[in-house]
Amino acid sequence: GESVGLHLPTLSVQEGDNSIINCAYSNSASDYFIWYKQESGKGPQFIIDIRSNMDKRQGQRVTVLLNKTVKHLSLQIAATQPGDSAVYFCAESGGATNKLIFGTGTLLAVQP
Amino acid sequence: EAGVVQSPRYKIIEKKQPVAFWCNPISGHNTLYWYRQNLGQGPELLIRYENEEAVDDSQLPKDRFSAERLKGVDSTLKIQPAELGDSAVYLCASSLAWGASSGNTIYFGEGSWLTVV
Repeated sequence: GESVGLHLPTLSVQEGDNSIINCAYSNSASDYFIWYKQESGKGPQFIIDIRSNMDKRQGQRVTVLLNKTVKHLSLQIAATQPGDSAVYFCAESGGATNKLIFGTGTLLAVQP
Repeated sequence: EAGVVQSPRYKIIEKKQPVAFWCNPISGHNTLYWYRQNLGQGPELLIRYENEEAVDDSQLPKDRFSAERLKGVDSTLKIQPAELGDSAVYLCASSLAWGASSGNTIYFGEGSWLTVV
């Protein structure tokens, strides 16, 4: 039968380039943010997190930036590698329920 | 150290049949979660356990879904009867404790992929 494709936002980069994945969050009461990486057929994998009292946090090859004024979060990946190809989700928590709420994923496609 | 372990990895059932998923969290993690992930979307929380107590099941469709964590370690999630719209990935996750902090990072299993036909 006919299949319906799902259109995730997609970022296509060349191997070795830097990648920037963006996320807009909705709850101004959120005070903790996480980036997860999900490879095909696997569960989400923790990458990096940041609290709202910070605006930047660095890990190995990854940097998360938080702009609370415009409720925007970004994940920067340096020297992107083929193994970075995956769907990336931002997640926020805080406020009354403190639940972890996932945003819409972004598909990162690394071209060799 | 082993991560969150789930089984079965894949399950295909006919509608109206029952299905159960099993989860073994990371050792020492008191908080256990079941999430559902539809294709192309982020995971959505179904239920959260603190030890053996279900402290947040507000998103669990209780007419057909049930879960238990009898000894505060392993957990099962059951659907009876399954409907076509239940086709999704069921993710189990765990954390040391509840609360948004780096020390309570939520770790996910590989998921149980359910197809209802």
